Formats: sequence, structure tokens, C-alpha cells
Amino acid sequence: QVQLVESGGGVVHPGRSLRLSCAASGFTFSNYPIHWVRQAPGKGLEWVAVLSYDGNSQYYADAVKGRFTISRDNSKNTLYLHLNSLRPEDTAVYYCVRVGHDGGPNWGQGTLVTVSS
Amino acid sequence: DIQMTQSPSTLSASVGDRVTITCRASQSISNWLAWYQQKPGKAPKLLIFKASSLESGVPSRFSGSGSGTKFTLTISSLQPDDFATYYCQQYNSYSSITFGQGTRLEIK
Repeated sequence: QVQLVESGGGVVHPGRSLRLSCAASGFTFSNYPIHWVRQAPGKGLEWVAVLSYDGNSQYYADAVKGRFTISRDNSKNTLYLHLNSLRPEDTAVYYCVRVGHDGGPNWGQGTLVTVSS
Repeated sequence: DIQMTQSPSTLSASVGDRVTITCRASQSISNWLAWYQQKPGKAPKLLIFKASSLESGVPSRFSGSGSGTKFTLTISSLQPDDFATYYCQQYNSYSSITFGQGTRLEIK
């Protein structure tokens, strides 16, 4: 079955960087675009970024454009999110999400990023 | 970008009630809409995809309908485990996905 496992979260000071990973299994990873979605404490779901199946096209939410970079290694079935210039408002649980038109979306369990001095 | 407007933001109901949550898209998304249930500290749980397809293992009291710009999630007879927050999500285009603001379903 489809499985997505996020890792890399933690506590970081404002202005610092972090790299999140999303390890995928149970499907042909290189066939799907994968998204990052976040949820700040007590808030709703917010789309962050998406990368095309081949890594050639990427799109970002305005709130993270220029600070976050999405990438993937199809040989390792892994998606990444590089978080730079972190701000307190980036504090959230970050989820990776597979969205295709062949079934319902699949989510990981999330990884918590806390930006605090 | 496609905006999703979900209503109501809060819904008070009793066990056994029939409840409906509505989601409207700012432009047509065909039937590329999902509904989720979320409980505190947990990832969203998929209930419905493609507007009306029930995810495997989800009780049949949950149903979805709609196409184009207007969609509904109905719970036919509320059970104690159903009190949670519900979100809609459009996935019409792979270049971005967007969510409704959420509906908190609470016990009356």
C-alpha cells in the first residue's frame, strides 16, 4: 500500500535552515507529482509547494516563495523540502501528499517544525 | 488560484442527526474534490475522493456529492466518533491544491 513517511523536523532558531524528507513506498514514485502541505498549531491546512514527477516544474505558495525549495531523488523514492530563512510563522506540522487522478490523495503522518528563539 | 469556501465554520449537532457541510470552488474543478476528517494531533483522514467515491474502510454513513463548483459532505446519522474537524480539498490541477477553511463539528 502507499506509504509516505516524513522526517527532519525539529526546533530551530529564526533565520536558520532545515531540510525535511518524505520517503515513499508502495507506488511508482517517479510517476507522480508530490506536494508539501503544512498546518500551523490550531489552524487549517495550507498548501506549500509541489514538484512535478520528473523534477522539472515546481510551484510554491507566496508565503514561502524564495525561501523554501522543493526537490526529489527518484532513485531514492524521496522528496525533500529545504526550508531557509525560517520565521516563527513557519511553525507547523509539515505533510507530504501524493495526489493523482487514479484514486484518493495519500498523506504521511507529518513532521513538526518549530521556529523559536 | 482556485479558492475553496467551506461552510459552516462550526456546526453543533447531536448523535443521530443528519448533517451537511458545503464547499464551493471559485471556478469549476469538475469532480476533483476530496473530504477529510481530522482529530487533534492526527493527520487528516481521507473520507471521500472524486467528490463522491467512498474511501475504503470509511463507514457508509459518509457520502459526498456535487460537481463543478458546489459540493457537499453528508453524514447520515452522527456517531460519537464523528465529532471532529472536516476539510474539503480541490485537486483539479497538479500545480496547486487548496483547502476549505474547515468545519468544526461539535456536540450540541
